[in-house]
Amino acid sequence: DGGITQSPKYLFRKEGQNVTLSCEQNLNHDAMYWYRQDPGQGLRLIYYSQIVNDFQKGDIAEGYSVSREKKESFPLTVTSAQKNPTAFYLCASSIPSRGGYTFGSGTRLTVV
Amino acid sequence: GESVGLHLPTLSVQEGDNSIINCAYSNSASDYFIWYKQESGKGPQFIIDIRSNMDKRQGQRVTVLLNKTVKHLSLQIAATQPGDSAVYFCAENSGGSNYKLTFGKGTLLTVNP
Repeated sequence: DGGITQSPKYLFRKEGQNVTLSCEQNLNHDAMYWYRQDPGQGLRLIYYSQIVNDFQKGDIAEGYSVSREKKESFPLTVTSAQKNPTAFYLCASSIPSRGGYTFGSGTRLTVV
Repeated sequence: GESVGLHLPTLSVQEGDNSIINCAYSNSASDYFIWYKQESGKGPQFIIDIRSNMDKRQGQRVTVLLNKTVKHLSLQIAATQPGDSAVYFCAENSGGSNYKLTFGKGTLLTVNP
């Protein structure tokens, strides 16, 4: 079945460490996105990519980095520069001409 | 109901009742709208969408209404069931760009048995 897979489901990070969240899709979608969700908040866009080898900053890109070397994969690295990284991270993909996103099941990152 | 930019509102209904969740959007250039359902600890799931050339669209037990005059979107759930308990988000393609959606903060729907 086609879908979008995020791993791991739970991730713990020590202060000062970089961690990478995985996002893989087999939907043949061109566009991929990373969102951050905090309790009682909406989704805030971190980075997005419309095509391979290209990506743009979203509204809260500081302290994060991404790569898009393959169409299927859009990993997000949370760097030590991100001062408040504890959150629920959601990856999504879409075919831009069709509009709607398909979301992964999320990764909950906690700083310990 | 909710408005993009407000704190998360809540709606509590009895099982079997109809639910109406509201969303106000701000960008008059938006021409595509989606409702998502998010259960606790999971990613959002697509429920129904509507384009700006329509004012109503129906799915299975759900109906979306769009009022472009007042920039208002609503989701109606018929015969609400306990499994419908979740946070519901509206999203719009602000600026008419289909590849980037803007999400509201969501409404928490609780269905009481």
